[in-house]
Amino acid sequence: AAGVIQSPRHLIKEKRETATLKCYPIPRHDTVYWYQQGPGQDPQFLISFYEKMQSDKGSIPDRFSAQQFSDYHSELNMSSLELGDSALYFCASSHSGENTEAFFGQGTRLTVV
Amino acid sequence: TQLLEQSPQFLSIQEGENLTVYCNSSSVFSSLQWYRQEPGEGPVLLVTVVTGGEVKKLKRLTFQFGDARKDSSLHITAAQPGDTGLYLCAGKGYGGATNKLIFGTGTLLAVQP
Repeated sequence: AAGVIQSPRHLIKEKRETATLKCYPIPRHDTVYWYQQGPGQDPQFLISFYEKMQSDKGSIPDRFSAQQFSDYHSELNMSSLELGDSALYFCASSHSGENTEAFFGQGTRLTVV
Repeated sequence: TQLLEQSPQFLSIQEGENLTVYCNSSSVFSSLQWYRQEPGEGPVLLVTVVTGGEVKKLKRLTFQFGDARKDSSLHITAAQPGDTGLYLCAGKGYGGATNKLIFGTGTLLAVQP
């Protein structure tokens, strides 16, 4: 079965650069979530989209933005990167609804040097 | 803010032992999901519990949702080295099509052969 696809798997950027992370949800899933996981921490919710509209916002810095496109894939754009942005970034997708299950991609490991 | 506390935070046991991981909150959740995460990989969904008091079994893993839907437990019988990983509970609140998952603080399990 198709899973959530994230690209790239690994990314190294310098401080103050920009980065774009991509997420391709499971086919027919209309909802995408982005999470950030620092070393030894649990995933922290950043932002979510439903039917291409932002639906919920968490602890996403103003330097970050995201969108969901007509084919339901999503991109997380990160500007003015800081050392503290180094983390694993996960995308998850689900059907809409209260008790639907979210499935995660393998993540993008971003290292800012 | 909805918070999920997991205990214990770390657990190191011998192969064949039993263990229980707890996930507690003061908030009520519409559903609760358990994930297992390997280092550098995305969380993998194990189970979703929806009904208060519900018990689900997945081979040697038994999951229970509290009657009040505020807490959950994961019991592993006869643990094996392959069970090693980070176990995360995640609750989904009420209201809205895309209510985000709130992750617990995680339990890092190491099963020694």
